[in-house]
Amino acid sequence: GAVVSQHPSWVICKSGTSVKIECRSLDFQATTMFWYRQFPKQSLMLMATSNEGSKATYEQGVEKDKFLINHASLTLSTLTVTSAHPEDSSFYICSATQRGSETQYFGPGTRLLVL
Amino acid sequence: GQNIDQPTEMTATEGAIVQINCTYQTSGFNGLFWYQQHAGEAPTFLSYNVLDGLEEKGRFSSFLSRSKGYSYLLLKELQMKDSASYLCAVRVDSGAGSYQLTFGKGTKLSVIP
Repeated sequence: GAVVSQHPSWVICKSGTSVKIECRSLDFQATTMFWYRQFPKQSLMLMATSNEGSKATYEQGVEKDKFLINHASLTLSTLTVTSAHPEDSSFYICSATQRGSETQYFGPGTRLLVL
Repeated sequence: GQNIDQPTEMTATEGAIVQINCTYQTSGFNGLFWYQQHAGEAPTFLSYNVLDGLEEKGRFSSFLSRSKGYSYLLLKELQMKDSASYLCAVRVDSGAGSYQLTFGKGTKLSVIP
């Protein structure tokens, strides 16, 4: 149980384009989803927290107009990187929690390369 | 702010026992997690401690002392597949009933024959 999927797993795009990453909880209802970014050899950095049906809460230094988060249902959250630039190249990972549980379950991650 | 410290790298021999320490200074503490992350993959959940003491789960055990801001992950009967990064993460109360995980930088464990 508690499986989280992400799509796509890999994306390569040109600078200036937008990229959408989907995060789905497959066998549970995710009351809260988290988006992280991880640069090589560094730890996970929380970007934003989103609760179903409400606006995401962004961490300091994360541009909400650049990283659009939509959490429209209890099983799906999307992160859109708008006008991506090479410095946005990173490993993006989502996680989800279900009501009454302390554990975050992570998706497999999406590796983004912006050329 | 939050501060989480763990060693950067450790090496241990197959079949041995290794202890990975984690110290933290944080406000609004609401539990400590250990995750395993293989290179290029997402983290997988290992353990969760919110009360002082030892939690044992197979070859892996995790200990927490809230008064000392200290935890360790103990891995027994090491196997080559245990070579990975081990992330200590502290759950904090971010207000309005919400919680966040703050991760340490991870300890890269290399298991050698």
